[in-house]
Amino acid sequence: AQSVAQPEDQVNVAEGNPLTVKCTYSVSGNPYLFWYVQYPNRGLQFLLKYITGDNLVKGSYGFEAEFNKSQTSFHLKKPSALVSDSALYFCAVSPLTGGGNKLTFGTGTQLKVEL
Amino acid sequence: DVKVTQSSRYLVKRTGEKVFLECVQDMDHENMFWYRQDPGLGLRLIYFSYDVKMKEKGDIPEGYSVSREKKERFSLILESASTNQTSMYLCASSFFPWGTGGAGNEQFFGPGTRLTVL
Repeated sequence: AQSVAQPEDQVNVAEGNPLTVKCTYSVSGNPYLFWYVQYPNRGLQFLLKYITGDNLVKGSYGFEAEFNKSQTSFHLKKPSALVSDSALYFCAVSPLTGGGNKLTFGTGTQLKVEL
Repeated sequence: DVKVTQSSRYLVKRTGEKVFLECVQDMDHENMFWYRQDPGLGLRLIYFSYDVKMKEKGDIPEGYSVSREKKERFSLILESASTNQTSMYLCASSFFPWGTGGAGNEQFFGPGTRLTVL
């Protein structure tokens, strides 16, 4: 069975500083990996995904994530944080084969960007 | 843009009531999903459907059932609501046609229904 770990419940960053939200995964075989963001009282919005190819994936709002197979990680990054990036972030994984389109989500990381 | 709508944003029900949560998507997606979201637990899959009248249990199906009579509509049913079903319920859909690759397609989420069972 697949699983996702987001080791930090909350990450605090000053505006303008780089941010990293961590994610590690466990899945049989090769993974599909996703990041979603949830603003208060809203559903989840898709940010980016890794399927195959380049390990550095670029997504919406200036976010990017790096797939590291040896460390089974898919950390979300942004070079310069904005206050408007404050939200709840979820990492998710799906196996390349045999999983259909089912996703397993992490428990979420609350990002707080302060002035 | 894909649009996934849910029938209610907020719902308050009594213990023992039968509760229907409705979800509609407008992009002809094959897959539809129901999740519940609880603090510290993330999203957990309740049921999903990959075609009309087809359904499969997710990780936490106990106390829930689903119905998919039309491709665009996926309903979650709480047969007899209990206080431990107080939660945020999220519906999602994705493009996943049979016989083609699609496991890497992203899911599109509705705004959620915050259900309180008293």
